[in-house]
Amino acid sequence: GAVVSQHPSRVICKSGTSVKIECRSLDFQATTMFWYRQFPKQSLMLMATSNEGSKATYEQGVEKDKFLINHASLTLSTLTVTSAHPEDSSFYICSAGTSGDNEQFFGPGTRLTVL
Amino acid sequence: AQSVAQPEDQVNVAEGNPLTVKCTYSVSGNPYLFWYVQYPNRGLQFLLKYITGDNLVKGSYGFEAEFNKSQTSFHLKKPSALVSDSALYFCAVRFSYGNNRLAFGKGNQVVVIP
Repeated sequence: GAVVSQHPSRVICKSGTSVKIECRSLDFQATTMFWYRQFPKQSLMLMATSNEGSKATYEQGVEKDKFLINHASLTLSTLTVTSAHPEDSSFYICSAGTSGDNEQFFGPGTRLTVL
Repeated sequence: AQSVAQPEDQVNVAEGNPLTVKCTYSVSGNPYLFWYVQYPNRGLQFLLKYITGDNLVKGSYGFEAEFNKSQTSFHLKKPSALVSDSALYFCAVRFSYGNNRLAFGKGNQVVVIP
């Protein structure tokens, strides 16, 4: 089946620093990747939709300058949390899909803790 | 707007008993419905989906779900629950055709009691 990886799985950083999270589709080409944020015992909140070679589409209320998304190839999308603050601490999950496909394949998630 | 509701917070069931996790949806047009399971500190694992065809959909790990258009429901079921089924279950609906964005329900914690 389709496999999506995320790196790192866990990161702890100081307030004010930037953190980059990678999302890779390992065995298929993903025309679209999605970034979600999940708070403890809560649902996934879609942050943005990323299409290869174009700018990401952000959901309402998500700061595009705060959460930089790059989808440079069909197998890699990155999310950079800029000038991270403790309130950015969360579980970030990416997913990937192909054009016309009805299914998204999810990565294992990245636990971000900002001190 | 597309949305899903999972009315219960937690579902407790004894091992070996039938398990049902409820989901109702609201969509414009034909619904594309999904169930995912999440184990602690892990991403989501796909269980099953309904796009078209038979209302009863069979998925992974012995789970199935029944699409009921009149009741706008897509309840997840398993005839005999296992302790290993204890996890967080999410129902989701796709936003619109040609766009794979998903809207998730709040999730249900399932606890299977040995």
